[in-house]
Amino acid sequence: KNQVEQSPQSLIILEGKNCTLQCNYTVSPFSNLRWYKQDTGRGPVSLTIMTFSENTKSNGRYTATLDADTKQSSLHITASQLSDSASYICVVRPGAGNNRKLIWGLGTSLAVNP
Amino acid sequence: ETGVTQTPRHLVMGMTNKKSLKCEQHLGHNAMYWYKQSAKKPLELMFVYNFKEQTENNSVPSRFSPECPNSSHLFLHLHTLQPEDSALYLCASSQADSRGLAGGGTGELFFGEGSRLTVL
Repeated sequence: KNQVEQSPQSLIILEGKNCTLQCNYTVSPFSNLRWYKQDTGRGPVSLTIMTFSENTKSNGRYTATLDADTKQSSLHITASQLSDSASYICVVRPGAGNNRKLIWGLGTSLAVNP
Repeated sequence: ETGVTQTPRHLVMGMTNKKSLKCEQHLGHNAMYWYKQSAKKPLELMFVYNFKEQTENNSVPSRFSPECPNSSHLFLHLHTLQPEDSALYLCASSQADSRGLAGGGTGELFFGEGSRLTVL
């Protein structure tokens, strides 16, 4: 069964610190993997989209890595800011079949405290 | 501002009411989506429209009725809902891929702010 699992479920860090969020997936074959940021009460916003051939992709202070062999991805946040407090959702698109619906993780809830 | 606008942002309705959620996108996309987001559950895809035609209905109960009059507007008509239908309803848009598949390939989804629905 195609699944996306994220860890930790929630995380609290101090402003200015770095953190890494994990995503493991069992989707096969695989087309691409996305990370979204969702502020409380708002819609998700795309951070990165990575295909199987990409190992690292950055978007400002956000850096996503992908290991297609081990089916793992991580999102690293550098020098965290209060505005980084949000839910971070990992999403995978299967690579085959007519029904290639996105498979969404439950998200990691990040709180950045002053 | 994502280019996708949803109204109303909040809605409280009784089980016998009829209401509608509205979504409008200003991005020139040709695919639009309705998602449901409930607590402690991943986003659930409800409906997909590609060039105004419904291409996907993920076994959504008939008390939810979508309407897509053109590629820029999407509605979700609600009637005789149940308390378990309370959730955040998200509209999204994207470009269809080269095969015309909505949200296919690396097509990025652009979400609205959502409509928080409470059914009493």
